[in-house]
Amino acid sequence: GNSVTQMEGPVTLSEEAFLTINCTYTATGYPSLFWYVQYPGEGLQLLLKATKADDKGSNKGFEATYRKETTSFHLEKGSVQVSDSAVYFCANAGGTSYGKLTFGQGTILTVHP
Amino acid sequence: DADVTQTPRNRITKTGKRIMLECSQTKGHDRMYWYRQDPGLGLRLIYYSFDVKDINKGEISDGYSVSRQAQAKFSLSLESAIPNQTALYFCATSDTYRDFEQFFGPGTRLTVL
Repeated sequence: GNSVTQMEGPVTLSEEAFLTINCTYTATGYPSLFWYVQYPGEGLQLLLKATKADDKGSNKGFEATYRKETTSFHLEKGSVQVSDSAVYFCANAGGTSYGKLTFGQGTILTVHP
Repeated sequence: DADVTQTPRNRITKTGKRIMLECSQTKGHDRMYWYRQDPGLGLRLIYYSFDVKDINKGEISDGYSVSRQAQAKFSLSLESAIPNQTALYFCATSDTYRDFEQFFGPGTRLTVL
């Protein structure tokens, strides 16, 4: 089946710092890859996605590139803001886990002014 | 109005009680899911349904049951609640033809005393 491993948190940064959250996955076949974000007190919402190798997903200044050769989908942002403080989840779906998302354990990001 | 709603938003109950959590959606999606979120464990799939007549167990279905009353409604029941079922529960929906992108409700915080 599918699995997802995220870097352990929490991650604490100052405003305008560079962010990287690592994510690696295992899957049979060709999964789609996602980053979801959970703001305090809310449900998860899709941040970005990529559906095939070398695709780059991007949204709100965040980017992640689907790297099949390293089975990775690292999340990056060049300059974080206080409002980016949230929990970030990497996930994959598809392959032989048809229709089901498999989530990583989540990474808590706190950005200080 | 929210596309995916969950009721109740918060519930405190006692060990041995039967509890039902409800989920409704107006997105017209055919697929619905129930997850539980525990700190440090990410989201784990309890049950999922690809249409009204299709119900499947996820990775942690023991102690839970579900009912898909209509395309728009998917309920989760705890037949006899126990303290280790204290968690945040999320309902999600997706469309078969949209790369497994899932849309989450706001969550139900359940406490079992």
